[in-house]
Amino acid sequence: QVTLKESGPVLVKPTETLTLTCTVSGFSLSNARMGVSWIRQPPGKALEWLAHIFSNDEKSYSTSLKSRLTISKDTSKSQVVLNLTNMDPVDTATYYCARTTAAGSFDFDYWGQGTLVTVSS
Amino acid sequence: EIVLTQSPGTLSLSPGERATLSCRASQSVSSSFLAWYQQKLGQAPRLLIYGASSRATGIPDRFSGSGSGTDFTLTISRLEPEDSAVYHCQQYGSSLWTFGQGTNVEIK
Repeated sequence: QVTLKESGPVLVKPTETLTLTCTVSGFSLSNARMGVSWIRQPPGKALEWLAHIFSNDEKSYSTSLKSRLTISKDTSKSQVVLNLTNMDPVDTATYYCARTTAAGSFDFDYWGQGTLVTVSS
Repeated sequence: EIVLTQSPGTLSLSPGERATLSCRASQSVSSSFLAWYQQKLGQAPRLLIYGASSRATGIPDRFSGSGSGTDFTLTISRLEPEDSAVYHCQQYGSSLWTFGQGTNVEIK
């Protein structure tokens, strides 16, 4: 059974760095053609893709947020970590991690439940 | 970066009616890399359609996808009350993913 679960702070202050962890089970982060993305959704707004890490450790970032994002993984712990620096109230959102399918179609077949992060002083 | 524009913003229909949702891309998208998701209130998105027209596992056959190039469509042939949700399209290209802004389907 494939599951993904996000964890991290629910409240961060402006200018702080957000660190979120996605813990996966039911598959290995080293499986060929599988990867994990982070995606966020401000309240009442659209989904926004942030970053992706491939099975070979190659990384990809949103063009608009690239300077603030870092994604990494620890295969032995089955975890993918996202760092987002210099947090601002506009970064308030539900943050999801999601898996891309092994079929190579680059869609997201499994999602975590999401974690709401609020940015406020 | 490819921008996806979904229309209409909101669709209000009765059970049994047909829903047609549009997703238009700012430049051509590979059909292999166009997907649709359903998101119910308070839940994570669920994959409905991948590769523009293939249903994901467990998705009822009243959901279908079509299109190519810059114009893609999600059709729900006979709406049921549980289809009330926001529907998102998503594309992948050049190691970047983008989502549309979503269409809200309301069941009268």
